[in-house]
Amino acid sequence: DTGVSQDPRHKITKRGQNVTFRCDPISEHNRLYWYRQTLGQGPEFLTYFQNEAQLEKSRLLSDRFSAERPKGSFSTLEIQRTEQGDSAMYLCASSLVIAGRAGTVKNIQYFGAGTRLSVL
Amino acid sequence: DQQVKQNSPSLSVQEGRISILNCDYTNSMFDYFLWYKKYPAEGPTFLISISSIKDKNEDGRFTVFLNKSAKHLSLHIVPSQPGDSAVYFCAASGFWLTGGGNKLTFGTGTQLKVEL
Repeated sequence: DTGVSQDPRHKITKRGQNVTFRCDPISEHNRLYWYRQTLGQGPEFLTYFQNEAQLEKSRLLSDRFSAERPKGSFSTLEIQRTEQGDSAMYLCASSLVIAGRAGTVKNIQYFGAGTRLSVL
Repeated sequence: DQQVKQNSPSLSVQEGRISILNCDYTNSMFDYFLWYKKYPAEGPTFLISISSIKDKNEDGRFTVFLNKSAKHLSLHIVPSQPGDSAVYFCAASGFWLTGGGNKLTFGTGTQLKVEL
């Protein structure tokens, strides 16, 4: 299977605990994105990486959230001191974007199955 | 500030008929649009996309239409099949024309139910 994989699929934690999620993108993809989805909403952008560089962070990403992509391959998303409002589906996506080739790149992002976080 | 809107939370269609899902956007910087399908407990699956230099793109049973002046796009599914029953998300991104492509902004989704 060469799709985007996320681990774990489900995580239940108590308020105040730290959690870490992992995402393995499609191997040749240079961009990796994190989104969060709550019930009745579409996915909301959190942050993205071009190779190992984190290029943009949403205002949704409070200082309790940190994401890394140390070698430009897999990524981790850590939430410190979890709160009940952090309960959501965390989705990872990857894409291949070649800078400078205007109008030729299809910014199609391929998503993993997500990690469902429940904070009790 | 909902920049991508899907005003119909649900749609019910009979098998074999056409399904039309609608999406409106407000941000003029969006120049690339995508439709995703999502089943429960799975991530969104890419269906079809269209760039701002086109007004129509077709892929099998799926056709996406873009009306830039109205900032409106629609997804047509013909003929509809029971396996098409899912939540459909419209998404938009910017900077495609400049060779970039970045985050996607999603609508809230439309639940399609195709009945026998």
